Amino acid sequence: AQSVAQPEDQVNVAEGNPLTVKCTYSVSGNPYLFWYVQYPNRGLQFLLKYITGDNLVKGSYGFEAEFNKSQTSFHLKKPSALVSDSALYFCAVIPLINYGGSQGNLIFGKGTKLSVKP
Amino acid sequence: NAGVTQTPKFQVLKTGQSMTLQCAQDMNHNSMYWYRQDPGMGLRLIYYSASEGTTDKGEVPNGYNVSRLNKREFSLRLESAAPSQTSVYFCASARKQGTGGSGNQPQHFGDGTRLSIL
Repeated sequence: AQSVAQPEDQVNVAEGNPLTVKCTYSVSGNPYLFWYVQYPNRGLQFLLKYITGDNLVKGSYGFEAEFNKSQTSFHLKKPSALVSDSALYFCAVIPLINYGGSQGNLIFGKGTKLSVKP
Repeated sequence: NAGVTQTPKFQVLKTGQSMTLQCAQDMNHNSMYWYRQDPGMGLRLIYYSASEGTTDKGEVPNGYNVSRLNKREFSLRLESAAPSQTSVYFCASARKQGTGGSGNQPQHFGDGTRLSIL
């Protein structure tokens, strides 16, 4: 079965320190990869995506993510965390093998709660 | 910019009652989606509509029906609500997905409908 794993339910970071939110995937073929962020009582907001090309992609709010094909990972990173980054982060994939038939359906991880303390 | 608008924001139902969740987008997107979000389970796709006039089942369609009323609107109906359908429901839209390399379009989410079924 195709799936996305976010191994940490919660990540705690001090403000100003670097942060990493982990994501690994198990899908057929080469997927499109996404990160979304959810603030309390809001919908998900798109952060960044990997389609092809450079393994390091940059997104909104200073976030970036590194695609590693051999490890099937797509970890989210930020060099210096802010308290305002505290939120729920979701990794998601669209398996290329079925994006034509599935019309771009996302498979989501269970989410990682990021807490940044002052 | 309204983006994706969901109504109502909150609803409490009794078991067996029916209701329709409304969703409208003003971005001229072709594809629309309904998800449910439950604690610790990420988002799961209920139904989607690749384009006006088409709908397809997602991962968890049982107990739900949908209508793509026009390009802007995509409604989700619970015919006979059950406590297991207590959840937060999100509608999303995206530019045309599918073949031709457009399956990488990010989805835009509404702020959700919080539904409790007693």
